[in-house]
Amino acid sequence: QLQLQESGPGLLKPSETLSLTCTVSGASISSSSHFWGWIRQPPGKGLEWIGTTYYYGSAYYNAALKSRLTISLDTSKNQFSLKLSSVTAADTAVYYCARLPRVSAAPERNYFDYWGQGTLVTVSS
Amino acid sequence: EIVLTQSPVTLSLSPGERATLSCRASQSVSSYLAWYQLKPGQAPRLLIYDASNRATGIPARFSGSGSGTDFTLTISSLEPEDFAVYYCHQRSNWPTFGQGTRLEIK
Repeated sequence: QLQLQESGPGLLKPSETLSLTCTVSGASISSSSHFWGWIRQPPGKGLEWIGTTYYYGSAYYNAALKSRLTISLDTSKNQFSLKLSSVTAADTAVYYCARLPRVSAAPERNYFDYWGQGTLVTVSS
Repeated sequence: EIVLTQSPVTLSLSPGERATLSCRASQSVSSYLAWYQLKPGQAPRLLIYDASNRATGIPARFSGSGSGTDFTLTISSLEPEDFAVYYCHQRSNWPTFGQGTRLEIK
């Protein structure tokens, strides 16, 4: 049974770097059949795609976040991670990790078939 | 950026009734549209992908239709567990989501 679980600090101060990890069980992140991504939801707002990555290539990022964002894989731990630098209150959100089946060769052009439960990250001084 | 506009913002219905949720794209997304169900404290659930395909394990009361710019998610007979927030998502271009429709018990 596939499970994804987000982990990381729940409270950050402005200008700090947000680091989250998604631990995957029940599937290998080295699979050529899937991509792995992050989505967030600010309080009271809709969902926002953050970025998508995969084992065999580079990560693809939301243009609005690209300058501050790094998504990477750790195949030894079957995890993938997100690092977002110079956070502000606008980065306060529930952050979700998710799997994408490789329907399109373009990593960002796939839907999300399994999600984690999400983790709330609050940025406040 | 392709903007997805969902309507209504809130839909108040009773169990057993039919729910019709709309998602309109600012430009054609072909059939590359998915629907998700979100409940507090739970992992979001994929319901429909590519406009009309039910995801694994999704009950037959959920159906999707549409192409181009206009899409509909229909729940034929509402069960108590269906009251949640629903989002559409397009994968035609850089991914975007709608702002959601809250389906609440009347």
